[in-house]
Amino acid sequence: DADVTQTPRNRITKTGKRIMLECSQTKGHDRMYWYRQDPGLGLRLIYYSFDVKDINKGEISDGYSVSRQAQAKFSLSLESAIPNQTALYFCATSDLKWGDTQYFGPGTRLTVL
Amino acid sequence: AQRVTQPEKLLSVFKGAPVELKCNYSYSGSPELFWYVQYSRQRLQLLLRHISRESIKGFTADLNKGETSFHLKKPFAQEEDSAMYYCALSLTTSGTYKYIFGTGTRLKVLA
Repeated sequence: DADVTQTPRNRITKTGKRIMLECSQTKGHDRMYWYRQDPGLGLRLIYYSFDVKDINKGEISDGYSVSRQAQAKFSLSLESAIPNQTALYFCATSDLKWGDTQYFGPGTRLTVL
Repeated sequence: AQRVTQPEKLLSVFKGAPVELKCNYSYSGSPELFWYVQYSRQRLQLLLRHISRESIKGFTADLNKGETSFHLKKPFAQEEDSAMYYCALSLTTSGTYKYIFGTGTRLKVLA
């Protein structure tokens, strides 16, 4: 399912660098989400957006920011990356027509040295 | 605080044996519950939702509000069921939206 894409798929960076992860979708969904996953933990919600003008913090938003450039695009930024932000990051979309089912991207593996 | 608990990190069963993946949640309101699955080298995808009352790939899950559980079951496991399974809870409380995942259970179906 290539409807939700993420770039880059892998990234290695250094402490203090600014990083942007991008998510695009062709599903036409209004709602978009960013999650992070750490080993042994479930996915945790970082930010979510129910439409282009709506941005909300999730469970673990500290150290992150987002931008909803269009219905189809939702970017996640780490203004000054730190090693404990090393994780797998997932973008997801949903549409109320399908309840709250999340449709996931393939993930971005980020390593902060 | 709301929480989803999957007590087993790993569950190994033989092909043809019954499978039960446990999920318990803590939430006093009306929950919306999901099971997601991730097969090897594939992305996370929905398996089933409690409000749909569907059976997908032979799996079913019944919401038990008294026990606050949403266990996933299949009567006869197949090797292709081997995957990572996540239980998730969606809710809005005090105007705040939450989507909470459990830590996941890896199912291994042995030949």
